[in-house]
Amino acid sequence: DVKVTQSSRYLVKRTGEKVFLECVQDMDHENMFWYRQDPGLGLRLIYFSYDVKMKEKGDIPEGYSVSREKKERFSLILESASTNQTSMYLCASSIAQDNEKLFFGSGTQLSVL
Amino acid sequence: AQRVTQPEKLLSVFKGAPVELKCNYSYSGSPELFWYVQYSRQRLQLLLRHISRESIKGFTADLNKGETSFHLKKPFAQEEDSAMYYCALSGWKAAGNKLTFGGGTRVLVKP
Repeated sequence: DVKVTQSSRYLVKRTGEKVFLECVQDMDHENMFWYRQDPGLGLRLIYFSYDVKMKEKGDIPEGYSVSREKKERFSLILESASTNQTSMYLCASSIAQDNEKLFFGSGTQLSVL
Repeated sequence: AQRVTQPEKLLSVFKGAPVELKCNYSYSGSPELFWYVQYSRQRLQLLLRHISRESIKGFTADLNKGETSFHLKKPFAQEEDSAMYYCALSGWKAAGNKLTFGGGTRVLVKP
């Protein structure tokens, strides 16, 4: 059974802080994704990666960066957190041969005060 | 640009009644469409995809290219169908396919 683990379930940070959200998958998946989930807006893609040290911008990358130094780990970084980044963040992974079957983590609810 | 629209934020039906979740998309090429579901306190997961033409948990969805729709249907709703449902579209991108999700529809099945 695929396991995608997000390090924190809840996070509270202050405006201007640098925030790290960590995601680890244990099934050797090539692809990893970061989405944010907001009521009424659904899921919006922030960044994704198809390989180690590779990253591509999604639809809303502004204010975020990512790091993929190892295949199993994909980190989302908020360089200077702002209140409009308060959201539920979802990490997902998939195999290269079946891009669209995503396996999601349980999410990190981030509150920026 | 690719876009997915789910016009209903909330659908409330009685157990045993039919349920239909609407999904409309815009995409210039030939898309692949999916439905994802998130049950209470569970992770978001794939429910079904149009290319498989399968019925999962009694749900079916037909891709209608003329109407650019991919509505999800179930003839007899059950209480365990209460969940958040997301329609998603995959369009070809040079670096690989990526999914675009709709805003989601919350389904509440009342006893």
